Amino acid sequence: KNEVEQSPQNLTAQEGEFITINCSYSVGISALHWLQQHPGGGIVSLFMLSSGKKKHGRLIATINIQEKHSSLHITASHPRDSAVYICAVERVSGGSNYKLTFGKGTLLTVNP
Amino acid sequence: DTGVSQDPRHKITKRGQNVTFRCDPISEHNRLYWYRQTLGQGPEFLTYFQNEAQLEKSRLLSDRFSAERPKGSFSTLEIQRTEQGDSAMYLCASSLAMGVVGPGANVLTFGAGSRLTVL
Repeated sequence: KNEVEQSPQNLTAQEGEFITINCSYSVGISALHWLQQHPGGGIVSLFMLSSGKKKHGRLIATINIQEKHSSLHITASHPRDSAVYICAVERVSGGSNYKLTFGKGTLLTVNP
Repeated sequence: DTGVSQDPRHKITKRGQNVTFRCDPISEHNRLYWYRQTLGQGPEFLTYFQNEAQLEKSRLLSDRFSAERPKGSFSTLEIQRTEQGDSAMYLCASSLAMGVVGPGANVLTFGAGSRLTVL
């Protein structure tokens, strides 16, 4: 079992719909990252959070440390939101050497 | 600074050949990471530098792989005697770790990646 599991793997929505992508993890973490990857493109960091909730524009990320679960929400989705959304967790490895463990990503397609 | 640069963006090679990828991180970043990503998978950690010191290597990094960051700035990832299974996107990322790091110190800036195809 992967340390970081995302669901769903694929998600198709109509423009304007509210989107939720889930991330569950099985290890103790110090922070969780949500990233966005467009086809053929690099990876862009969306959020880093260690508790509670963060909001940026139409994107909202929440985390429940006790339940080892995080969600990424997109309100009023738009075709330009179509991308792979990746959850990654940050845990201490060998002292202060932080590194990220990634989920497989969720492919979001928003149709006009 | 234009972010993290990787070169080449695409490389097609024949099995058995050697390839080298270069990564130029954001200039003030002291940490540099190499990740590998195959189709439908999330990135997998390969190795990590703090300044010029290679502090961690994944078990995924066989002895055909070597990475360097000689002056604590740019880094190279070399794959010797390439195999078809090496075909992947090789991603470089950098970050700034300040003092005794705490949660969130690892906000990475990724390059666009170098896609390797081994025929």
